[in-house]
Amino acid sequence: GAGVSQSPSNKVTEKGKDVELRCDPISGHTALYWYRQSLGQGLEFLIYFQGNSAPDKSGLPSDRFSAERTGGSVSTLTIQRTQQEDSAVYLCASSSLAGGHEQYFGPGTRLTVT
Amino acid sequence: GQQLNQSPQSMFIQEGEDVSMNCTSSSIFNTWLWYKQDPGEGPVLLIALYKAGELTSNGRLTAQFGITRKDSFLNISASIPSDVGIYFCAGFSSGSARQLTFGSGTQLTVLP
Repeated sequence: GAGVSQSPSNKVTEKGKDVELRCDPISGHTALYWYRQSLGQGLEFLIYFQGNSAPDKSGLPSDRFSAERTGGSVSTLTIQRTQQEDSAVYLCASSSLAGGHEQYFGPGTRLTVT
Repeated sequence: GQQLNQSPQSMFIQEGEDVSMNCTSSSIFNTWLWYKQDPGEGPVLLIALYKAGELTSNGRLTAQFGITRKDSFLNISASIPSDVGIYFCAGFSSGSARQLTFGSGTQLTVLP
């Protein structure tokens, strides 16, 4: 079946511009996660959606970062007024309640802020 | 917050050799997961462990959930070139609201 998909795969933007990154989770997965991975580093948790519950935004690094999940499926991560330190790979993952804590990742969006 | 100490940070091994990597934590985890990440790709789940003492294999990969619930290891036997990549451990504890805590990764290089 289809896995987690993300778009775009690469995004180059100028400092100060806003960007939107999209994630399509695995069909039927109720939980969706966003992570950030800087070059050569581990995964930094950003935000977590579970069903219709209020999202856990505890990992968002600043108020320039926000995310939405419409209809319990597709999610968009928005970064406003991008800074060079926002350059990283942004990974999305999804999981199902029946699947324990196994998260399945998309290929990521590589963001470069010039 | 919770932290996982993953070691080694990097490994260079000869093709055919076995390799072992591990993760430790100061707190108890209820679930341990091992992922592999190839360049330009997202992490792929290799093995999931749900019970202390559990030993699970997936082909040439074997992982164990430590008895103390504070550690896990991953072994790869008879390494091949396609084993190259970054291996991450991840743990879940009941106090973290379904968030996984990730180790910093082990970069594995397999030399021909």
